[in-house]
Amino acid sequence: EVQLVESGGGLVRPGESLRLSCAASGFTFSSYNMNWVRQAPGKGLEWVSFISKNGDNPNYADSVQGRFTISRDNAQNVLYLHVNNLRVEDTAVYYCGRTTAFDLLGQGTLVTVSS
Amino acid sequence: DIQMTQSPSAMSASVGDRVTITCRASQGINTHLVWFQQKPGKVPRRLIYGSFRLESGVSSRFSGSGSGTEFTLTINSLQPEDFATYYCQQHNSFPLTFGGGTKVEIK
Repeated sequence: EVQLVESGGGLVRPGESLRLSCAASGFTFSSYNMNWVRQAPGKGLEWVSFISKNGDNPNYADSVQGRFTISRDNAQNVLYLHVNNLRVEDTAVYYCGRTTAFDLLGQGTLVTVSS
Repeated sequence: DIQMTQSPSAMSASVGDRVTITCRASQGINTHLVWFQQKPGKVPRRLIYGSFRLESGVSSRFSGSGSGTEFTLTINSLQPEDFATYYCQQHNSFPLTFGGGTKVEIK
């Protein structure tokens, strides 16, 4: 089955860090550019970050630039998002998505930042 | 950054109605536009890509059109399962941006 499965979310305090993972299966992961997108509770969708097929050319939303780092392991078929110095406003469900047109989305992982 | 403006932000409609949602880009994006449907507590589902291409398995009640800066999503003969929030998204350039959403509610 073609799918993306996120993990790694949780409840953290402001300033703390997490590593989100997205496990890909059922397709050739290394052939696709990948993205992270998030959705705060009751709000719309916000693109977070992009990484190309071979891991080059990361791109970030201004709101996370310098705090988040996207990476991938094509041998293990996993996409990562290292989220550092978390803020209350980073609270959201984080989805990984295949291609910039999001032809495939995972089920999401919830990150809650609260003191 | 390319701003995506959806209208209306919310609407009430009846089963059987024809619904049109508009998405305007602040600059030209060719046909690099996607439409999503999202129901409460669920993952967004892609309906349309390339402005007008219907995703496999999506009802033909849904159609998309437009190019450049003006796009529309049309739902013909609205069904109970179509009550949801709809988002447009451009992937012409970074940062990728989404419209603010259109919530379609039951009248």
